[in-house]
Amino acid sequence: QSALTQSASVSGSPGQSITISCTGTSGDVGGYDFVSWYRHDPGEVPKLMIYEGIKRPSGVSSRFSGSKSGNTASLTVSGLQAEDEGDYYCCAYAGSSSWVFGGGTRLTVL
Amino acid sequence: QVQLVQSGAEVKKPGASVKISCEASGYSFGSFALHWLRQAPGQGPEWMGWINPGNGRTKYSQRLQDRVTITRDTASSTAYMELRSLRSEDTAIYYCATQLQTSAFDVWGLGTVVTVSS
Repeated sequence: QSALTQSASVSGSPGQSITISCTGTSGDVGGYDFVSWYRHDPGEVPKLMIYEGIKRPSGVSSRFSGSKSGNTASLTVSGLQAEDEGDYYCCAYAGSSSWVFGGGTRLTVL
Repeated sequence: QVQLVQSGAEVKKPGASVKISCEASGYSFGSFALHWLRQAPGQGPEWMGWINPGNGRTKYSQRLQDRVTITRDTASSTAYMELRSLRSEDTAIYYCATQLQTSAFDVWGLGTVVTVSS
């Protein structure tokens, strides 16, 4: 059982926007500005999409954005494209040099 | 070119130990934390622990701290993760990763499949 809670699945049509939520506690998501999001498709290496809650690494589309409110972090994908379909995971720093992950959300583009 | 090259797949029996290597290249190995994570089938990733390759200091997840040891060899820029007393639940893909350009896990190895089966 993962420490952070994510909805199992989310879907949207091309061009629409979707939001994936990640709920933790004041000891992880709510306590630090170190939430990151990863896309991890089977057989591939995890790819960093968002770090420090809102920052995009070089090379990640501006259609991906992150936010946080209290103990819940969110990843928004705007202008959905078929290539966005995949599994997305949140991760949060939990203090004392440790990290926790969510169970993952499967994004389906209809 | 920054790379983390991991050792090959392992098949182990319950109760055995496994030791996986992760060789870093293309950056200063001693200057960046090296983490180990794993992902079991159908589950989210799990952070296992990390090592400061510069001084060898480590930190492990509370859940695994009794069974995991992370070490490094600075001469070969290689980190190692040993997991003992293996159980079927330890069947997973094991990754090493570093925080090279961000505060997150931005460079990953390709993963090492570990299968625990009698």
